[in-house]
Amino acid sequence: AQTVTQSQPEMSVQEAETVTLSCTYDTSESDYYLFWYKQPPSRQMILVIRQEAYKQQNATENRFSVNFQKAAKSFSLKISDSQLGDAAMYFCAYRTDLGGSQGNLIFGKGTKLSVKP
Amino acid sequence: KAGVTQTPRYLIKTRGQQVTLSCSPISGHRSVSWYQQTPGQGLQFLFEYFSETQRNKGNFPGRFSGRQFSNSRSEMNVSTLELGDSALYLCASRRRRGPSTDTQYFGPGTRLTVL
Repeated sequence: AQTVTQSQPEMSVQEAETVTLSCTYDTSESDYYLFWYKQPPSRQMILVIRQEAYKQQNATENRFSVNFQKAAKSFSLKISDSQLGDAAMYFCAYRTDLGGSQGNLIFGKGTKLSVKP
Repeated sequence: KAGVTQTPRYLIKTRGQQVTLSCSPISGHRSVSWYQQTPGQGLQFLFEYFSETQRNKGNFPGRFSGRQFSNSRSEMNVSTLELGDSALYLCASRRRRGPSTDTQYFGPGTRLTVL
């Protein structure tokens, strides 16, 4: 069964600084997708960034970028120039579109990010 | 385009009762998935519906059920509520199933409290 592990329950960063959130996963599939979702307190979960496993190039979305290491099954999120609005729970998620568990997201436990002014 | 909507946003029930939650996906999205979020267990997949058929089911007891209508709206039902069913129930919609770069978009959730 696929699993997703986020080893940092909480992280803190100074405003305007850079922070990296870690995520590892376990799967025997070769084709899958990885996501980082952000869930602000009492607010809706939104997609931050997505990576297709077949793409070697790391995904970037403005201040957010990932370091995808397929062989190591690692998928970290880097937030540059951190802003107060980045404070939230961040969830790493895995999805395969093949096999018995196709389509559903498997989430890590989350990392709570605090941003200090 | 309107996002995923869920009703009601908050619910308080007592043990033994049953509850029905509703989810309206983004227009054009035919796949609806449900997730349970608790502090202890995190986010867990409940089930997915596509074209009015349950396509995938997570490891939850039969008290948890759902359905999808022809307009892709979905409902989930929990019967004989237990204290442990207290959670945030999230609905996510996606345009299609199968290999795709489609992203799941989440609704705001329904906060269920069982007393």
